[in-house]
Amino acid sequence: QQPVQSPQAVILREGEDAVINCSSSKALYSVHWYRQKHGEAPVFLMILLKGGEQMRHEKISASFNEKKQQSSLYLTASQLSYSGTYFCGTEGGTSYGKLTFGQGTILTVHP
Amino acid sequence: DTAVSQTPKYLVTQMGNDKSIKCEQNLGHDTMYWYKQDSKKFLKIMFSYNNKELIINETVPNRFSPKSPDKAHLNLHINSLELGDSAVYFCASSPASGIIGELFFGEGSRLTVL
Repeated sequence: QQPVQSPQAVILREGEDAVINCSSSKALYSVHWYRQKHGEAPVFLMILLKGGEQMRHEKISASFNEKKQQSSLYLTASQLSYSGTYFCGTEGGTSYGKLTFGQGTILTVHP
Repeated sequence: DTAVSQTPKYLVTQMGNDKSIKCEQNLGHDTMYWYKQDSKKFLKIMFSYNNKELIINETVPNRFSPKSPDKAHLNLHINSLELGDSAVYFCASSPASGIIGELFFGEGSRLTVL
């Protein structure tokens, strides 16, 4: 079952912060985050594993609440290069070995 | 060297035709995937192969047939193309089987069915 992301879109000015949420209705083993720029392939940001620590990629960090089956991606002091569509992917329940992506969150950073 | 490469990048064809997309990875990974991204950007897994063996086959019409001649290659053949098949098809690979690691995506193949 597809995870649900919120918000669907975010518009920021450079330097501002944003949070993107991802929630699932099933027990999760891992949550993955990817960023896709227009016309390009998705690019891996980080994986959060059940029982693991909060992860970080430059000024982007993420957390995973296993009990709530939720993950949040935190973008701090956003840069123009952060613009793109962010996808969370989940693995768990009956979809072990399969990554199911959310519908994506479009992030636009303006100067 | 491109890690995961797909050909062709663009494909425009008529309804009813048959077409193939090829994918190759030079990362030495054991697992390869096909994902379909529709016009709303929804990324949906279609197939997964581990060392040439099919391990995931989502509810994809029989018109789609993947083939993995070796663990570095995964091709996708589509018969009797329909308008709804228009999408970007991404090939991806990952080093692990079972537990999913980082996915390395190819650049995508944009298929337009007229």
